[in-house]
Amino acid sequence: DTEVTQTPKHLVMGMTNKKSLKCEQHMGHRAMYWYKQKAKKPPELMFVYSYEKLSINESVPSRFSPECPNSSLLNLHLHALQPEDSALYLCASSQAKVGNTGELFFGEGSRLTVL
Amino acid sequence: AQTVTQSQPEMSVQEAETVTLSCTYDTSESNYYLFWYKQPPSRQMILVIRQEAYKQQNATENRFSVNFQKAAKSFSLKISDSQLGDTAMYFCAFREMDSNYQLIWGAGTKLIIKP
Repeated sequence: DTEVTQTPKHLVMGMTNKKSLKCEQHMGHRAMYWYKQKAKKPPELMFVYSYEKLSINESVPSRFSPECPNSSLLNLHLHALQPEDSALYLCASSQAKVGNTGELFFGEGSRLTVL
Repeated sequence: AQTVTQSQPEMSVQEAETVTLSCTYDTSESNYYLFWYKQPPSRQMILVIRQEAYKQQNATENRFSVNFQKAAKSFSLKISDSQLGDTAMYFCAFREMDSNYQLIWGAGTKLIIKP
């Protein structure tokens, strides 16, 4: 059973569309992450929210806009994407307190295709 | 900067055999965590096993065990009695103990278990 839920599982969008990816967790974690993953490659960190505040932005283009409405929800707003942005987008969560073991809990991902 | 190296892009073994996946890392830190994550074709990434660097005892989780050699900076994963469900991408990852969010990932090893 996945405890991190991502929707939609698949998304196809044009370069002029605006869409959003959603992530929800109910494990009480206060750190939430967006990763981008290409086929057979490790995940690449995009954003980290800690206690609902943006903690890390790995120089991601502004066409990706994260939002953390509350401690359980994480969104990724997409606008004017490029075909090279096609990838699997993974949401993850973890404990946020200093010294935690850092285990990440991942969702199943949203497969994004940009035409 | 820390790096994680997985030198085996792909491996395949027969069901019920034992297989070892290699991982080496480079760091000047003395306190850190090491992880093996598994990502089956269904996509969800899950934690297989975790090792704290300050623990000398090798971590074990059922059929999965590690050989942690701190001086050699090596962290291999052994899968005993391999099963078809072990077919997946396996990623080795490193995190400094004082770093809350940054995971350093290896390139991954694709493991195929043949019937």
